[in-house]
Amino acid sequence: DAKTTQPPSMDCAEGRAANLPCNHSTISGNEYVYWYRQIHSQGPQYIIHGLKNNETNEMASLIITEDRKSSTLILPHATLRDTAVYYCIVRGLYNFNKFYFGSGTKLNVKP
Amino acid sequence: KAGVTQTPRYLIKTRGQQVTLSCSPISGHRSVSWYQQTPGQGLQFLFEYFSETQRNKGNFPGRFSGRQFSNSRSEMNVSTLELGDSALYLCASSSLGYEQYFGPGTRLTVT
Repeated sequence: DAKTTQPPSMDCAEGRAANLPCNHSTISGNEYVYWYRQIHSQGPQYIIHGLKNNETNEMASLIITEDRKSSTLILPHATLRDTAVYYCIVRGLYNFNKFYFGSGTKLNVKP
Repeated sequence: KAGVTQTPRYLIKTRGQQVTLSCSPISGHRSVSWYQQTPGQGLQFLFEYFSETQRNKGNFPGRFSGRQFSNSRSEMNVSTLELGDSALYLCASSSLGYEQYFGPGTRLTVT
């Protein structure tokens, strides 16, 4: 399964957009990119996923580069409640539910 | 729909004992995965069950085992507990081909 690389931490001002990058340069053609977040030792929460095209839902937008080697999760108007560890995961082609979480990015939203 | 539930939420055990944790998936979900989260190793995949069969397995010793019942509820067992088994154990359920939904976890402390 493809591995991901994320910055260990990022800061964002409340109300501003938070852009969280993820590198997945070894991703295969049929592997999806998933984003989850975990707030202070709660269970991880699903945010969004995509294959090739950009995706948007009520929580966030996912921008995947054309070569699919990297992606960016965008929280359009970050709030204090968005402070969490964000995980970028590449979903294995044959091991659908065997997620490799990596270290994630700790997003600190500040007033 | 009710979410994924895990019992107990907190547990304290002594080295050498064994423990059984329980997970009830979201209604209709047939896949249940288990993860271990520790400060040092992060979130690590233990195993996945689908229709009462183990479908995927992580790199954990044989002391860690699991099973799934016909109603999709799952249990995981850890025998001969070690101090290093102290962790948050997370269960996730999914429908085939879709995102995983995580429970709140069971916090196990081994003394």
